[in-house]
Amino acid sequence: SQQGEEDPQALSIQEGENATMNCSYKTSINNLQWYRQNSGRGLVHLILIRSNEREKHSGRLRVTLDTSKKSSSLLITASRAADTASYFCATDGAKEGAQKLVFGQGTRLTINP
Amino acid sequence: DSGVTQTPKHLITATGQRVTLRCSPRSGDLSVYWYQQSLDQGLQFLIQYYNGEERAKGNILERFSAQQFPDLHSELNLSSLELGDSALYFCASKPGQGAGEQFFGPGTRLTVL
Repeated sequence: SQQGEEDPQALSIQEGENATMNCSYKTSINNLQWYRQNSGRGLVHLILIRSNEREKHSGRLRVTLDTSKKSSSLLITASRAADTASYFCATDGAKEGAQKLVFGQGTRLTINP
Repeated sequence: DSGVTQTPKHLITATGQRVTLRCSPRSGDLSVYWYQQSLDQGLQFLIQYYNGEERAKGNILERFSAQQFPDLHSELNLSSLELGDSALYFCASKPGQGAGEQFFGPGTRLTVL
């Protein structure tokens, strides 16, 4: 079963608006990552936030992490049509020397021109 | 282009058969990860190899096996195939073992008829 649950499952907004996706997980983590997947293609890494970090920025992306609530959010500001994709959170709670990413079910984001 | 290559891109086979999926990691990457993505199970981690040795195991069936060769390429062997094995199989690589971004290949789409 998936560690992470993401909501919403699908999100449709107008170009230029902000998009917020949420991820919840169940067990303790070392870090949490967000990936993007364009229709049936390989995943592309967006950002990694460590368990001792609360917020991180990368370009138009802002990620927050609340370990007390076991949740994270991904905000994409000023969305563009090219942002249309599925977005997945992935948690990593494995011991040192190994990495065992557990992915959520993903949020399908559609940006309407 | 992530630099990770996977062959074949598409594979159609029958139930009961055996197939081998191949992955070439990015130049210099020692870790290889295998994932299965299906509609009902989502994206699931199968197994990780680092420099030829198995490092972490996920939801990999006993009918599935993998290995990483001295030249660092990896193969995922799927045997006694069932209809439910139809999925996208991704390989990812990274330089080390621990936390950090994984670079995903384009995937192999397996269809079991």
